[in-house]
Amino acid sequence: EAGVVQSPRYKIIEKKQPVAFWCNPISGHNTLYWYLQNLGQGPELLIRYENEEAVDDSQLPKDRFSAERLKGVDSTLKIQPAELGDSAVYLCASSSINRETGELFFGEGSRLTVL
Amino acid sequence: QQQVKQSPQSLIVQKGGISIINCAYENTAFDYFPWYQQFPGKGPALLIAIRPDVSEKKEGRFTISFNKSAKQFSLHIMDSQPGDSATYFCAASKTAGKLIFGQGTTLQVKP
Repeated sequence: EAGVVQSPRYKIIEKKQPVAFWCNPISGHNTLYWYLQNLGQGPELLIRYENEEAVDDSQLPKDRFSAERLKGVDSTLKIQPAELGDSAVYLCASSSINRETGELFFGEGSRLTVL
Repeated sequence: QQQVKQSPQSLIVQKGGISIINCAYENTAFDYFPWYQQFPGKGPALLIAIRPDVSEKKEGRFTISFNKSAKQFSLHIMDSQPGDSATYFCAASKTAGKLIFGQGTTLQVKP
């Protein structure tokens, strides 16, 4: 079974440019997460989807960040315009509705460098 | 109330030794405490998890010890191997709630 797939793996852009990241979760996982991981830090939740609905986006900087999950499967995270401080790894994760395990399955991340 | 504090920030252990990483939490409503392992260039992966109805859980060389009254839990890696060299994150959440991660511990196991 394929894991969580993210693209691109690496992205270098100039500040003020837009950037988008794509995530394909594990088949059948209804919950999808976008996490931000700064260098040397733990992941921080940006947004969580249950199917198509964003159920927790309290930490998403809505002035420049947006996300969508059409048809409850793939998701995109967009930053427009990017700032120097956005340089980080953007992790996508998914989980099944089985709350007992609570396991999150992470992708390898998209590393963003803003120059 | 949402913080999870992890220590030490980095750890060097000799092969065959015991690695111990500690975490403390504040929110008494948390009821799920996982540890994730992350290798460079990879996403975190679940290593082992515990719920507060037990004080210890062991899976192979990895053990979680949980102290509910102190609001602390720790990861013990027995017989540490060079392949265990990675960054370890503790985390905590309420069931079906947001997972809060610690700051991470970089473990180096020397041959």
